[in-house]
Amino acid sequence: GQQLNQSPQSMFIQEGEDVSMNCTSSSIFNTWLWYKQDPGEGPVLLIALYKAGELTSNGRLTAQFGITRKDSFLNISASIPSDVGIYFCAGRPTGNQFYFGTGTSLTVIP
Amino acid sequence: NAGVTQTPKFQVLKTGQSMTLQCAQDMNHNSMYWYRQDPGMGLRLIYYSASEGTTDKGEVPNGYNVSRLNKREFSLRLESAAPSQTSVYFCASNTIRQEPAFFGQGTRLTVV
Repeated sequence: GQQLNQSPQSMFIQEGEDVSMNCTSSSIFNTWLWYKQDPGEGPVLLIALYKAGELTSNGRLTAQFGITRKDSFLNISASIPSDVGIYFCAGRPTGNQFYFGTGTSLTVIP
Repeated sequence: NAGVTQTPKFQVLKTGQSMTLQCAQDMNHNSMYWYRQDPGMGLRLIYYSASEGTTDKGEVPNGYNVSRLNKREFSLRLESAAPSQTSVYFCASNTIRQEPAFFGQGTRLTVV
């Protein structure tokens, strides 16, 4: 299957700080997705990106589809305690199948 | 608003036993998916169904079968469970052949 490298693996930040994480692939993707997963729950889709260069926001979250089509970025501004969780990227090269990254675990220290 | 409902939430099986994981969605979605999630790995697609009556293999289909019983329900069957199938299983759905947008709460399966 496709390899998606997600970094960093984990982050510990102070409440109010901004957060950046990214996802890279070895091949070109046509769609990038970002999810958040809380313990014991299923992932929740945060943002979907469909075009190279596309920048999309969802509240304090902003994601970008890299212009090389091999990467994507997620930023969270002014973090709050409820941002704690695991953030996953997923991408689709061609066809219908999406491949998921291994996740970035975010801890927000009040 | 139930969304995507998975049953059971927890299950322990002995090696060689069989079981069916159930998934139902009440959003009139066409596409449904089954994923497994293992520690340190991303979700991996087992099977998906683009519409009622159709199913396709994903990345890790071996050892599993699926049935799209109707538009609402998509079940995953383990015919002869193996310890390697210990995992958390998620069902997801969406309106058309696009990204898996709505996930259930998962079924935590242990095979001993």
